[in-house]
Order: sequence, then structure tokens, then C-alpha cells
Amino acid sequence: ETGVTQTPRHLVMGMTNKKSLKCEQHLGHNAMYWYKQSAKKPLELMFVYNFKEQTENNSVPSRFSPECPNSSHLFLHLHTLQPEDSALYLCASSQDHPSGGPRNEQFFGPGTRLTVL
Amino acid sequence: KNQVEQSPQSLIILEGKNCTLQCNYTVSPFSNLRWYKQDTGRGPVSLTIMTFSENTKSNGRYTATLDADTKQSSLHITASQLSDSASYICVVSARSGDYKLSFGAGTTVTVRA
Repeated sequence: ETGVTQTPRHLVMGMTNKKSLKCEQHLGHNAMYWYKQSAKKPLELMFVYNFKEQTENNSVPSRFSPECPNSSHLFLHLHTLQPEDSALYLCASSQDHPSGGPRNEQFFGPGTRLTVL
Repeated sequence: KNQVEQSPQSLIILEGKNCTLQCNYTVSPFSNLRWYKQDTGRGPVSLTIMTFSENTKSNGRYTATLDADTKQSSLHITASQLSDSASYICVVSARSGDYKLSFGAGTTVTVRA
């Protein structure tokens, strides 16, 4: 596997289900991101992990719970979602400077198409 | 609030023709601007990146321009091919403490034979 992979590619779930999205990066990067992409809207940054520590949480509802067990893996745990949460969820990674500074190019996975019934 | 506006929202062109996509931003202070291409069912892939001092950058048949004074960028596609059918996203980075990225909503390009 190369680049950034995401599983599953498609997910249909009811509002009472619990599911998890998985992301793995094979690029040796130190930062990973979750984005939400809705039709005709800009990408919305959800969570950022630098060196496995969560550094950003952009006012995301608690029904989305991220987990970053190591610098190569990122999960997004989902529970009691709403129909408006249906979207494409993209994972990305980048190699950022430990002391901050401009963000380097982000490499994206193919996304998980989520449908909440 | 930093914003990125892209136009048109979508366009259809015939194979072999040229087209130009626009990106206007209010991000300040400015660090860099990237154009991404997102094929259907795929994640975005970076095409070009430009910093404040650069006003043009090419990647094959794609040429991006930047006017930092007017805060405008364009992406020109030359001699379009069917594989150019995709969404093109403009992303601007602020030169501030957290270097936040601001995303445009994208322009969907459809190339027809």
C-alpha cells in the first residue's frame, strides 16, 4: 500500500449505530487530519493530530470521536449520527515542522462516503 | 474571517479547448496558495503551490497565476483532455501563528468529447 488509505470506502448506518472510520498513511508523516466534505461546500477541518497529539478540534460535535494510536493510524469513531452528517470524510497527512510554521503539502486518502439514514 | 471564493461553480468544455478557473481570497497575512485536483471518488491531489513572490507556476497543461495585490489567482487548463474532468479546489494558507488553511468550494470541470 502506498500513500494514504481509508476504509471503508462506503458506509451506510442508522442513527443509533456505532461505527469507525480508519485511515493509514504510509508516507512517514507526523501530522494527520480529518476533513468533512459536503456537496458544493469547502472542506471542513475537523481534527488535527501532530506527533500523535490532538492539536485542533474545530468545534466538532461529540458524536465524532477521533483516535490516533500512533503517527501512522487515525480513526474516527461515530455514534448516534444525524442525517446531516452524511458526507465524504477525508483523511490527510503531512510532514510538518515540530516548531510550527507553514503547513507542508497535505496528501489525501480517497475518502469514506458516509450515508446516515 | 478568511474566505476563499471560486468561480464558476461548474463549467463544461469540449475536449481540446482551454478554460480558466478563478479564485479570490481575503486571507491575510498571506503565506501560499495551492490548487488541488479532485477526481471523482478520489481525494484531492496538489497541482501547484505559489508563494507571495511568485506570479505564475506551471504543471504540464495546468498554469496557475497569482496576483497578491488584488488577492486573485487563476488556473488555466490548456488543450483540455477527458481526464481533466474533476473538481479543482483553491486552498490559501495564512502566515500567522497557526497557519490555518482556507478552502474554496471548488469548480467542477466536465470535459466532453
